[in-house]
Amino acid sequence: EPEVTQTPSHQVTQMGQEVILRCVPISNHLYFYWYRQILGQKVEFLVSFYNNEISEKSEIFDDQFSVERPDGSNFTLKIRSTKLEDSAMYFCASSGGGRGELFFGEGSRLTVL
Amino acid sequence: AQSVTQLDSHVSVSEGTPVLLRCNYSSSYSPSLFWYVQHPNKGLQLLLKYTSAATLVKGINGFEAEFKKSETSFHLTKPSAHMSDAAEYFCVVSDREAGTALIFGKGTTLSVSS
Repeated sequence: EPEVTQTPSHQVTQMGQEVILRCVPISNHLYFYWYRQILGQKVEFLVSFYNNEISEKSEIFDDQFSVERPDGSNFTLKIRSTKLEDSAMYFCASSGGGRGELFFGEGSRLTVL
Repeated sequence: AQSVTQLDSHVSVSEGTPVLLRCNYSSSYSPSLFWYVQHPNKGLQLLLKYTSAATLVKGINGFEAEFKKSETSFHLTKPSAHMSDAAEYFCVVSDREAGTALIFGKGTTLSVSS
């Protein structure tokens, strides 16, 4: 069964460092997403990506964040200068259609010290 | 703007008894509604979805949910809980005005005791 894969599963970094979280969406999907879940809080939408550009983004997704699809298979989330409050589980998801089911990866846990 | 309220942060049931996880939504348009489940250290898995077809939706593992527009509710039920149902459950809404993004509720932790 096709699945979304994310790496790393856990990353620890120092405040101010750059972090790149990687995702391999399901191969024939067209819509890609990043969500995050701070410990004890709800899952929050960050950004969606379609046709090689951002289609939607939330207020959380400020200038410190960027996304890229550098090749035909990877979808990355970069945090330019991490803050303590960026510590969270980050989920990548992909979808074949605009309002279809989202398939989520198992998440990348980011800990900022 | 759309939103989702999960009325219980934690539900505890005994194995073999019914499960009810409550969800109310607010949407300015005709919504799509989903229930996702998250087992410990796992990703989010779709249980079921409502997208304006039948109001009673059946999902995986014996779960079902009923869309009630008059009550703006989409409660998740299962007739008989199993130990493996213990997990975090998220009610999720999507509507056309918001594009394709899903908006999550805060989640309900389901505990199942033997």
